[in-house]
Amino acid sequence: DIQVTQSPSSMSASVGDKVTITCRASQGIANWLAWYQQKPGKAPKLLIFAASTLQSGVPSRFSGSGSGTDFTLTINNLQPEDFAIYYCQQAHTFPLTFGGGTKLEV
Amino acid sequence: QVQLHESGPGLVKPSETLSLTCTVSNGSINNYYWTWIRQFPGKGLEWIGYIYYTGSTNYNPSLKSRLTMSVDTSKNQFSLTLTSVTAADTAIYYCAQRRPRSFDPWGQGTLVIVSS
Repeated sequence: DIQVTQSPSSMSASVGDKVTITCRASQGIANWLAWYQQKPGKAPKLLIFAASTLQSGVPSRFSGSGSGTDFTLTINNLQPEDFAIYYCQQAHTFPLTFGGGTKLEV
Repeated sequence: QVQLHESGPGLVKPSETLSLTCTVSNGSINNYYWTWIRQFPGKGLEWIGYIYYTGSTNYNPSLKSRLTMSVDTSKNQFSLTLTSVTAADTAIYYCAQRRPRSFDPWGQGTLVIVSS
């Protein structure tokens, strides 16, 4: 299985900050990576697919980059509603696997 | 926008069978892939498997021996059956549409507790 490692597992930030979350795959996955946001009591919500393509309706302060094994999710000008848990997921090889999550806290 | 809704018992006894159904609304189940994902109490996510509307499947090898998925296009539903459950199968179970490179949208999830 492809292991997907996210870092950090948790972080603190403030409104207006720029934050970066990283995701590393145990083998190359080209750009077959997605990012999700999960708020308490809710299902994960797709933010970005194909490593850098913003899902329709997602604010442009979210961006993704990377290819191969190393990927980043960047949130510019952090807003109060962005405090949540973020997951990456590789879609390259079965079984499909997720990162362990990054909890973004105030 | 397609909507998904999971249904099934919230409590299952150890060694028994877990059965869940996902109903797709505001769209057709035809021509798409559909998937199950679970989230453990510690928040980790695990892909369970997917089913195509024709009935072809791809299961996570870690669950393959206990897992069956099926689809009923006449009801716009697909289902999951997991046999011989243990406490380790306690999780929130989500159904979702499988896109080529992501899962979207997701159902709201249903909590299944395995306990006697």
